[in-house]
Amino acid sequence: KAGVTQTPRYLIKTRGQQVTLSCSPISGHRSVSWYQQTPGQGLQFLFEYFSETQRNKGNFPGRFSGRQFSNSRSEMNVSTLELGDSALYLCASSLVPGSSKGTQYFGPGTRLTVL
Amino acid sequence: DQQVKQNSPSLSVQEGRISILNCDYTNSMFDYFLWYKKYPAEGPTFLISISSIKDKNEDGRFTVFLNKSAKHLSLHIVPSQPGDSAVYFCAASGDYGGSQGNLIFGKGTKLSVKP
Repeated sequence: KAGVTQTPRYLIKTRGQQVTLSCSPISGHRSVSWYQQTPGQGLQFLFEYFSETQRNKGNFPGRFSGRQFSNSRSEMNVSTLELGDSALYLCASSLVPGSSKGTQYFGPGTRLTVL
Repeated sequence: DQQVKQNSPSLSVQEGRISILNCDYTNSMFDYFLWYKKYPAEGPTFLISISSIKDKNEDGRFTVFLNKSAKHLSLHIVPSQPGDSAVYFCAASGDYGGSQGNLIFGKGTKLSVKP
């Protein structure tokens, strides 16, 4: 069974631009979560989608948004990029959302660099 | 306010010895705990988990212990191997109001196993 795939793996953008990252979950998984990893803050939760609906959102500004499609694939978008948005963006999938109900499996991440 | 803390940023052990990685949490509503291993340029890989109704879970060389009264969990790796060298993240979640199961991560402990 294929794992979580994320595209692109690497991205370089300049301040003020916008970016869209894509995530395909493990086949059969319907829940997708997004995390941001930076050296200073570790892994921080961005948002979670289940059945095309955002179930939960972390403490990030409105420039960060996402969506999920009917095939469970998800995209996240960051508008008006800032230097501080440079990070590894990780996508995780699970069968269903919720703590003990489903372990999350991570993709390799997209490394975003904002110049 | 960090809800999940890994107070040791790094740990070095000799091959064949035991590695003990520690994690403390503050939120008593967490009911599920996970350990992830992460190599550079890859996403976190699920290692082992434990539900709050248990105090120990074992999987091969990896054992996780949970002390709910102390809000403390630890990961034991016995015997440690050079391939275990990676960053280990502790994560917690709980289906309580406003959470809906997203993972809260510690900042990680970098384990180095020396031959």
